[in-house]
Amino acid sequence: NAGVTQTPKFQVLKTGQSMTLQCAQDMNHEYMSWYRQDPGMGLRLIHYSVGAGITDQGEVPNGYNVSRSTTEDFPLRLLSAAPSQTSVYFCATRPHQNYGYTFGSGTRLTVV
Amino acid sequence: AQSVTQPDIHITVSEGASLELRCNYSYGATPYLFWYVQSPGQGLQLLLKYFSGDTLVQGIKGFEAEFKRSQSSFNLRKPSVHWSDAAEYFCAVGWNYGGSQGNLIFGKGTKLSVKP
Repeated sequence: NAGVTQTPKFQVLKTGQSMTLQCAQDMNHEYMSWYRQDPGMGLRLIHYSVGAGITDQGEVPNGYNVSRSTTEDFPLRLLSAAPSQTSVYFCATRPHQNYGYTFGSGTRLTVV
Repeated sequence: AQSVTQPDIHITVSEGASLELRCNYSYGATPYLFWYVQSPGQGLQLLLKYFSGDTLVQGIKGFEAEFKRSQSSFNLRKPSVHWSDAAEYFCAVGWNYGGSQGNLIFGKGTKLSVKP
């Protein structure tokens, strides 16, 4: 039982490049979310999904896309990376709305 | 708009001393509340949660928290801090109302340092 798996753990991108951060879970959780963590800012919600085929925007969605074709996977796509997207990205899942999150170990992204 | 405030950015306590980390939230509806801990370079681990019932909740690692509706607070406490408790602590709050999907809003965190 791996829980929530995020790949890669580290990534350096050049401005304008695109990439996909992967998140996979094996707990059959319906709810999945992407947060970014910046120093002194706490965690801010980027996008979330309440089930396969359903996604919605969070607090800071600009520059990011998501899709949810299966229950297990919730990839986050950076369309054209900018230095402001340098951050640590966390994927979090929960079985339903009234429940705590299980977090992945994070992806540290640097955009130069 | 909903918000979560952790007033203390950094706290230093001596090993063996008691600890209280503060968390306040805004918004009138009944929330559900969490405390998470993050060690350097790691993800977030759930310490404890409150949904309803007894307002004093027990968590892992000897932590407890008390929900005080009148003060819109959910402070985290530990009677005797261990050096291994040094980490960053995040309060998170969710609300069940239309459209929110219960997404959690996080405070900005309190970094705890422990003196030997």
